[in-house]
Amino acid sequence: EVQLVQSGAEVKKPGESLKISCKGSGYSFTSYWIGWVRQMPGKGLEWMGIIYPGDSDTRYSPSFQGQVTISADKSISTAYLQWSSLKASDTAMYYCVRPVIAAAEGGFDYWGQGTLVTVSS
Amino acid sequence: EIVMTQSPATLSVSPGERATLSCRASQSVSSNLAWYQQKPGQAPRLLIYGASTRATGIPARFSGSGSGTEFTLTISSLQSEDFAVYYCQQYNNWPPTYTFGQGTKLEIK
Repeated sequence: EVQLVQSGAEVKKPGESLKISCKGSGYSFTSYWIGWVRQMPGKGLEWMGIIYPGDSDTRYSPSFQGQVTISADKSISTAYLQWSSLKASDTAMYYCVRPVIAAAEGGFDYWGQGTLVTVSS
Repeated sequence: EIVMTQSPATLSVSPGERATLSCRASQSVSSNLAWYQQKPGQAPRLLIYGASTRATGIPARFSGSGSGTEFTLTISSLQSEDFAVYYCQQYNNWPPTYTFGQGTKLEIK
């Protein structure tokens, strides 16, 4: 069974750093792209970026380029999303996702349970 | 960057009736279009990809159509569990990029 299991909720202060994780299991982690989607409170879905754990090729949405860093450790089948300096506007639910098709096509058929990040002074 | 526009923002339909949701792309996305359903407090669920292919386990009352810039999600006979927010998404396989629409809330009339 394919599963994406994310790290737990975080409460941080503005200016702090953060790294959240997503562990994949039940499939070949290095053969599928894995991405991140943001959902701000009461708002819609925003694609942030995606990484291919096989070779760490990473692509970002223009809206998130330079704002976050996506990485992966294939030895432990885990992808990461990190911030160097959080802002209150980073408060959101963050989902890791896997495409239907290994070649990053077909939409996202597997979603993690979400990690709620709250940034408040 | 491709912009996805969904209409209407809110759709009120009675149970048992048909619901038709629309999605328009600012430029052609061929058939690289997916639809998702999201219920409160839950992660989104993939319904349709390739504009018309139902994802695993999705009931036949959900159908997708369209290509190029105009797409439709039809729910043939609404069940109580279908009232939710629906998103369309375009995807490009290389380089991999994705864009979501702003969502349509399907509510009980």
